Amino acid sequence: DIQMTQSPSSLSASVGDRVTITCQASQDIYNYLNWYQQKPGKAPELLIYDASNLETGVPSRFSGSGSGTDFTFTISSLQPEDFATYYCQQYDNLPLTFGGGTKVEIK
Amino acid sequence: QLQESGPGLVKPSETLSLTCTVSGGSISSSSYYWGWIRQPPGKGLEWIGSIYDTESSYYNPSLKSRVTISINTSKNQFSLKLSSVTAADTAVYYCARQGQNQWLPNWFDPWGQGTVVTVSS
Repeated sequence: DIQMTQSPSSLSASVGDRVTITCQASQDIYNYLNWYQQKPGKAPELLIYDASNLETGVPSRFSGSGSGTDFTFTISSLQPEDFATYYCQQYDNLPLTFGGGTKVEIK
Repeated sequence: QLQESGPGLVKPSETLSLTCTVSGGSISSSSYYWGWIRQPPGKGLEWIGSIYDTESSYYNPSLKSRVTISINTSKNQFSLKLSSVTAADTAVYYCARQGQNQWLPNWFDPWGQGTVVTVSS
């Protein structure tokens, strides 16, 4: 199985801050990586697919980059509605696997 | 839109059965996979398996011996059966539509709202 390691596991930030989350794959997954946002008590929502493509309707303050084994997810200016947990997910190989999540909390 | 349904309480050693009803489009007329994911309380996400049609499905090896995913195109539904459940199978279970990349499932979008399943006697 491909292991996905996210860091940090949690962070505290203020509204307006730039937030960066990293996701490292245990082997080369090309750009076969997605990012999701999950708010408490809700299902995850797809934000970014193929490492850097913004899903339709997702605000442009969200972005993704990377290829191979190292990937980055960025929120350029954190908004109150962005406080949530974020997950990466690879689809290069089955089984599909997720990172452990990064909880973004209010500072 | 996707909606999970099924018992919220299952006894140990029994079989967990859930159904996902798809609305807003035909489950059989699209080039999508249909998947199941679960999330134990306070933990992360685990892919259970995905189905494209009656001939094509994939399962997580960690659960493969206990999982069956089926599809019912006449009802626009797909289903999950997980046998011999234990307390470790207690989780929120989600269904989701999936895209495909080189004939394999990739992203999950959208997701159902999720259904809580507790395994307890």
